[in-house]
Amino acid sequence: QVQLVQSGSELKKPGASVKVSCKASGYTFTNHHMNWVRQAPGQGLEWMGWINANTGNPTYAQGFTGRFVFSLDTSVSTAYLQISSLKAEDTAVYYCARVSDYGDAFDIWGQGTMVTVSS
Amino acid sequence: QLVLTQSPSASASLGASVKLTCTLSSGHSGYAIAWHQQQPEKGPRYLMKVKSDGSHSRGDGISARFSGSSSGAERYLSISSLQSEDEADYYCQTWGTGMVFGGGTKLTVL
Repeated sequence: QVQLVQSGSELKKPGASVKVSCKASGYTFTNHHMNWVRQAPGQGLEWMGWINANTGNPTYAQGFTGRFVFSLDTSVSTAYLQISSLKAEDTAVYYCARVSDYGDAFDIWGQGTMVTVSS
Repeated sequence: QLVLTQSPSASASLGASVKLTCTLSSGHSGYAIAWHQQQPEKGPRYLMKVKSDGSHSRGDGISARFSGSSSGAERYLSISSLQSEDEADYYCQTWGTGMVFGGGTKLTVL
C-alpha cells in the first residue's frame, strides 16, 4: 500500500543538527513531489516547502531558508529534511507529505517526527 | 494574498451532522481546496478535494459520511452520522505559488 514512513523522535541540544527521513513505498517515488510541513506544539500546520522528486530541486517557503535543507535519495525512495543550528523554537512535529497525481493536494502524509530541542 | 480562514471550533452531537467552513480570501473564489483530518495525537489524513463548482473527490478509503460542497468563496466539509472518532482537527489546504493551510477547526462530538 502507498505509505510514507518517517524516522523516529529526536532530542537535540540547541546548536546541533538533525536529519529526518521519509521513506516512500507503494508508488513510483519520482512521480510525486514531496513537501514538508511543521506543526509546533498546540499549533496548526505550516508549510515549509517542497522538493522536486525528479530533479531534486528544493523550494523553501518564507521563514525556512538558510538552516533548512531538503534532499532526496531516489535509490532508496527517501526524502530528507535537515535542520542545522537548532533552536528551542524548532521544537515541533515535522511531516512529509506527497503531492497528488494532479500536483495539488497532499494525498499521503507521513506519521510525523517529533523533534525536541532542549538543553 | 491567498489566505484560508476557518472557525477555530465547532461542536455537534453524536449521530448528528455538521458542516465546517473554509473561506478563501478575496479574489481567490475560483480555487479548489483539500480537507485533511487530524485526530488527537495522530498525523493528518487526506479526506477530499473540493472544487469551486462544488464537486468533490474523496481520498482512498474515506467514508461516504464525509462530503464536500462550495458556495462562492466558501468551501464546506459535511460530516453525517457523527461518530466519536470524528472528533478531530480539520484543516483546509489550497495551492497557488505555494501551499497554504487554514488555521484549523477543532470539532467536538458531544
